Amino acid sequence: SQKIEQNSEALNIQEGKTATLTCNYTNYSPAYLQWYRQDPGRGPVFLLLIRENEKEKRKERLKVTFDTTLKQSLFHITASQPADSATYLCALNAGNNRKLIWGLGTSLAVNP
Amino acid sequence: EAGVAQSPRYKIIEKRQSVAFWCNPISGHATLYWYQQILGQGPKLLIQFQNNGVVDDSQLPKDRFSAERLKGVDSTLKIQPAKLEDSAVYLCASSLERDGYNEQFFGPGTRLTVL
Repeated sequence: SQKIEQNSEALNIQEGKTATLTCNYTNYSPAYLQWYRQDPGRGPVFLLLIRENEKEKRKERLKVTFDTTLKQSLFHITASQPADSATYLCALNAGNNRKLIWGLGTSLAVNP
Repeated sequence: EAGVAQSPRYKIIEKRQSVAFWCNPISGHATLYWYQQILGQGPKLLIQFQNNGVVDDSQLPKDRFSAERLKGVDSTLKIQPAKLEDSAVYLCASSLERDGYNEQFFGPGTRLTVL
């Protein structure tokens, strides 16, 4: 069956450290994958998109990798801050209508 | 630019009642999505519109849920009659589909509680 899995456990890290979140998928061949941030009581906010032919993408303190052989994307936040505390969702496209399939999300808490 | 607008923000109803949600996407965005997000889960696509046509409604429980996007702009999602398991946040999103990649912009959502 088709599945997307993200870190099931909440991630707690110390301020200043690098947070690494994982998104694994099976039985999909996505053309791209997206990462979103969601704060409580709000809708998800787009962060980064990475295409299947890209290995790595960066935006400020964020870095995303995409390994289509391992069927895995890693999302890194360097020099993490308490303001980075949120739930992070990965989503990949499926099908010709560019429908997004979403993971359950990983909760990140950055402790001061 | 103005974001995606949704109303109401919160709604409490009893089971078997009806409810409707409204969404106004970002101006110029041709694609509009309705998602259901149950606490602790990722968004689940209910229906996707391209302008005023339905692209995907495979996960919409059509016996009780309906949606329309008249004139290809704003949209309404209706539940009739509601069940307890419909308690969730209903998110509306829109996208421009620049170069075929659909970065989605979300509204704040409507939190529905069915008692």
